[in-house]
Amino acid sequence: GAGVSQSPRYKVAKRGQDVALRCDPISGHVSLFWYQQALGQGPEFLTYFQNEAQLDKSGLPSDRFFAERPEGSVSTLKIQRTQQEDSAVYLCASSLRDRGYYGYTFGSGTRLTVV
Amino acid sequence: SQQGEEDPQALSIQEGENATMNCSYKTSINNLQWYRQNSGRGLVHLILIRSNEREKHSGRLRVTLDTSKKSSSLLITASRAADTASYFCATDESGNTGKLIFGQGTTLQVKP
Repeated sequence: GAGVSQSPRYKVAKRGQDVALRCDPISGHVSLFWYQQALGQGPEFLTYFQNEAQLDKSGLPSDRFFAERPEGSVSTLKIQRTQQEDSAVYLCASSLRDRGYYGYTFGSGTRLTVV
Repeated sequence: SQQGEEDPQALSIQEGENATMNCSYKTSINNLQWYRQNSGRGLVHLILIRSNEREKHSGRLRVTLDTSKKSSSLLITASRAADTASYFCATDESGNTGKLIFGQGTTLQVKP
């Protein structure tokens, strides 16, 4: 597609529920990143994929967070047993090269609200 | 954790005026990038400046980088109401995988 597509756009989950957030990067983009953005804050890094390999997951806040990109294109961020502190906008970004030498293209994000 | 700080946190100006936002960071970097975010939307890449560059222009945008002071500034000239948004600086740290470390952002309001 023309841009990075994320779905769903909005997600309301009851505390304890599992959620799955999807990211469709631009076709052919090698690098894919997930970020978490709390209200009024800048995005914070969660995890990074180069093709299908997860090269950096140092930003995942707990073992309830899991990300995959099995075929090197679409990625899914899964959050198990959601907590209220997981409420945030989850942003996906991709770039053509293995580093964002020309900047990254971000999706519009998924706004997760845990009630 | 976030890399650094942006200053000011909020800025309100009249259309036609210039807007200057500053960003400080803590470690050595490969490059520094500026992004814009409209309310409820994703981030849009504005400009990237490499660590060996001191100044870069793109349309009405001018970015400077001072690696000795670990700081950068974004100047938007002749602002328009459509420039109203939050602006974030983000650093690509040396030795890292290419992940970006974002500042807290500056909220810019341009009044028509």
